[in-house]
Amino acid sequence: QVQLVESGGGVVQPGGSLRLSCAASGFTVSSNGMHWVRQAPGKGLEWVTVISSDGSTKYYVDSVKGRFTISRDSSQNTLYLQMNSLRTEDTAVYYCTGPIAEGLWGQGTLVTVSS
Amino acid sequence: EIVLTQSPGTLSLSPGERATLSCRASQTVWSSRLAWFQQKPGQAPRLLIYGASSRATGIPDRFSGSGSGTDFTLTISRLEPEDFAVYYCQQYGNSPYTFGRGTKLEIK
Repeated sequence: QVQLVESGGGVVQPGGSLRLSCAASGFTVSSNGMHWVRQAPGKGLEWVTVISSDGSTKYYVDSVKGRFTISRDSSQNTLYLQMNSLRTEDTAVYYCTGPIAEGLWGQGTLVTVSS
Repeated sequence: EIVLTQSPGTLSLSPGERATLSCRASQTVWSSRLAWFQQKPGQAPRLLIYGASSRATGIPDRFSGSGSGTDFTLTISRLEPEDFAVYYCQQYGNSPYTFGRGTKLEIK
């Protein structure tokens, strides 16, 4: 069964850090472009970042540049999102996804940034 | 950055009716890399259409996508009760891969 399972969400204070993980099964993370998308409570979808299939290219939405880093571990078949200098506006459910045209999404993990 | 404008914001229709949702881009979407998603409360988005007009696996043929350049449309030919949800378009031709703000399809 092909699936993506996110973990690592939780409550963190402003300025803090979290690392999200996205474990894949039935699907090879290192062979595909992988994305993170977030959704603030009651709001729409916001694309956050992508890593290319060969890992050489990474793009970020402006609001997270310099604070978030996308990476992957082929041995663990896992995608990561390292989030530093967190702000209250980063509060959201974070989804990992495979290639957009394939429609593979995880169930999401909630990140709450609050003092 | 490509801005996607979805209209209407809310669409009120009855089961059996036809729904037409619009997604307009602020600049040309490269290679018609435009996707449509359906989202229900508490669920992850579900891919309906990719490449502007290709149905994703398992999507009923009452869903169809059309358009190119800057103007795209999602049509649901005959609404079923399970189709009432929020619909988003996303362009994935140029980073950042932006989403529209969504159209809420509600039961009239």
